[in-house]
Amino acid sequence: GAGVSQSPSNKVTEKGKDVELRCDPISGHTALYWYRQRLGQGLEFLIYFQGNSAPDKSGLPSDRFSAERTGESVSTLTIQRTQQEDSAVYLCASSLVWSSGGADTQYFGPGTRLTVL
Amino acid sequence: SQQGEEDPQALSIQEGENATMNCSYKTSINNLQWYRQNSGRGLVHLILIRSNEREKHSGRLRVTLDTSKKSSSLLITASRAADTASYFCAYYVNNFNKFYFGSGTKLNVKP
Repeated sequence: GAGVSQSPSNKVTEKGKDVELRCDPISGHTALYWYRQRLGQGLEFLIYFQGNSAPDKSGLPSDRFSAERTGESVSTLTIQRTQQEDSAVYLCASSLVWSSGGADTQYFGPGTRLTVL
Repeated sequence: SQQGEEDPQALSIQEGENATMNCSYKTSINNLQWYRQNSGRGLVHLILIRSNEREKHSGRLRVTLDTSKKSSSLLITASRAADTASYFCAYYVNNFNKFYFGSGTKLNVKP
């Protein structure tokens, strides 16, 4: 019954450290999406999963970013060797299915605010 | 970039007035959605309009889509202070295999 949850809600880290962000989608939702939102800006699409598979990883900003999804549920977004420009809110969303044409309502989590010092 | 543009960037109105936000995009789309975001965190889906639709209503919301101009507008009628939020259009581009969100309109409704 719960919505999309993300943890941690806030993360402060030092430049060069690795961070792992977690997303728990709505139960039964097969599609999962990750976005990045810098302060005062729109959403930047990073990656989506159909089930456990990510058909296209080209939206990830650099090879320091990776994402996994296991068991059609939890997903983790990992940022290695964080840089100050990685500071942003990372939003996760899920939808019941993935339909071509983008017709599915996405349900968003509250986001993780990442600050890299 | 395929990111949509929205205007105005910011809009301040009095309670009871109507608010209109516009979204322009750059390529053919099948559907366009509007989302609302409070306080820079999670977004809430408001309405979806398909490419073969020209207008759609949901409560105080009215969305139009003009595929020839590649633009959409969101009208909020009889605005309330609680409508204060940022509003984003969103659409999927098949060729790029991605969702794109507009740059957003920050709406402030003064009581």
